[in-house]
Amino acid sequence: DGGITQSPKYLFRKEGQNVTLSCEQNLNHDAMYWYRQDPGQGLRLIYYSQIVNDFQKGDIAEGYSVSREKKESFPLTVTSAQKNPTAFYLCASSTQGASNTEAFFGQGTRLTVV
Amino acid sequence: KNQVEQSPQSLIILEGKNCTLQCNYTVSPFSNLRWYKQDTGRGPVSLTIMTFSENTKSNGRYTATLDADTKQSSLHITASQLSDSASYICVVQGGYNKLIFGAGTRLAVHP
Repeated sequence: DGGITQSPKYLFRKEGQNVTLSCEQNLNHDAMYWYRQDPGQGLRLIYYSQIVNDFQKGDIAEGYSVSREKKESFPLTVTSAQKNPTAFYLCASSTQGASNTEAFFGQGTRLTVV
Repeated sequence: KNQVEQSPQSLIILEGKNCTLQCNYTVSPFSNLRWYKQDTGRGPVSLTIMTFSENTKSNGRYTATLDADTKQSSLHITASQLSDSASYICVVQGGYNKLIFGAGTRLAVHP
């Protein structure tokens, strides 16, 4: 099955710890994105990558880091510098170039700081 | 400032009834407008994508309209079903292919 997979579905983090959220896609998409969703707010862009070995900060990149060593994978690390990490995190991918391309989302990871 | 505003924030309807969700945007430049359905605890799934020249687009019981002059869109759901209970998110793609998300309308369909 083609698609975009996020893991784990639920993640608990102690304060001061770094955690890494996984995002894998087998759609052969060049572009991948990480969003954060908080109650009552629209999705906000954390980081995006348009090609392997390249990524750009989004609107709320502070306290997060990413890597794009492979086309299929775009892991997000939530560092201890992120002051309010409890949220629902969504990964998405799309083909590169044309502006009307479909964006496909993973099922999300809910991160809770305990 | 690029913004997408949706109304109402939440809505309760009875099964079988129709409803209309609203989306106003101030995004410029405008590339396209999308409606997504998001079930609780899941990722959004695309319903429609409309470009500047498209006024209406249907996907089964979902019909989206776009008025690019007034920068308004609506999503009409016909003959609602219990499975329509979800959040509906309006998304506008602007310059540099950036997606601007609305906060969503939470729809509850009751039997």
